Amino acid sequence: MQLVESGGGLVQPGGSLRLSCVASGFTFDDYVMHWVRQVPGKGLEWVSGLSWNGDNIGYVDSVKGRFTISRDNAKKSLYLQMNSLTIEDTALYYCTKDISPIMGNGHMDVWGQGTAVIVSS
Amino acid sequence: QSVLTQPPSASGTPGQGVTISCSGSSSNIGLNTVDWYQHLPGTAPKLLINSNNYRPSGVPDRFSGSKSGTSASLAISGLLSEDEADYYCAAWDDSLNGVVFGGGTKLTV
Repeated sequence: MQLVESGGGLVQPGGSLRLSCVASGFTFDDYVMHWVRQVPGKGLEWVSGLSWNGDNIGYVDSVKGRFTISRDNAKKSLYLQMNSLTIEDTALYYCTKDISPIMGNGHMDVWGQGTAVIVSS
Repeated sequence: QSVLTQPPSASGTPGQGVTISCSGSSSNIGLNTVDWYQHLPGTAPKLLINSNNYRPSGVPDRFSGSKSGTSASLAISGLLSEDEADYYCAAWDDSLNGVVFGGGTKLTV
């Protein structure tokens, strides 16, 4: 099982980025998927998650209204559209797989290597 | 400020045991199970314990988890130098409708 993230980079405050995550080695549409981030030198923070069919979505308060999570099961891909980025969004963003198809658990058994997002002027 | 509270550091000598605590509330640990993640520098975090005390395949039985009320703990016995890492507890929070993590505990062996 593998997750590979891409799309990170350097962006100015107020800008946008779209992160992507491609899955392999498991039946992608059987599971909830999440984004988790880690600010340099800080701990892990859950950002967002969505159910196998995209019907149930959750966000941490600090990104509500700015970030949008989505998935394309045919492409085995997870996305995170990030708008109105601030310096506080600078972090390594991990794509993760849950062990469950429905939201409400958060047991993340597969993690990607992460993609770095740097928000700076 | 993390929703779940962990000590920032812990330490032990090779062969010893150590316990890391995680304190939450009625909306997270009090209602849901607890997971533990091991994060080695430069690598992706790894699920160490899920659902309070279940070890995924490949995790040594030196690692064990427990939960009581709104608190949980991770116990590591027979410490090895390779156990030196950051350890995070996590749980679903029904009030926040999302996963909450502890601030992490840096284990020094």
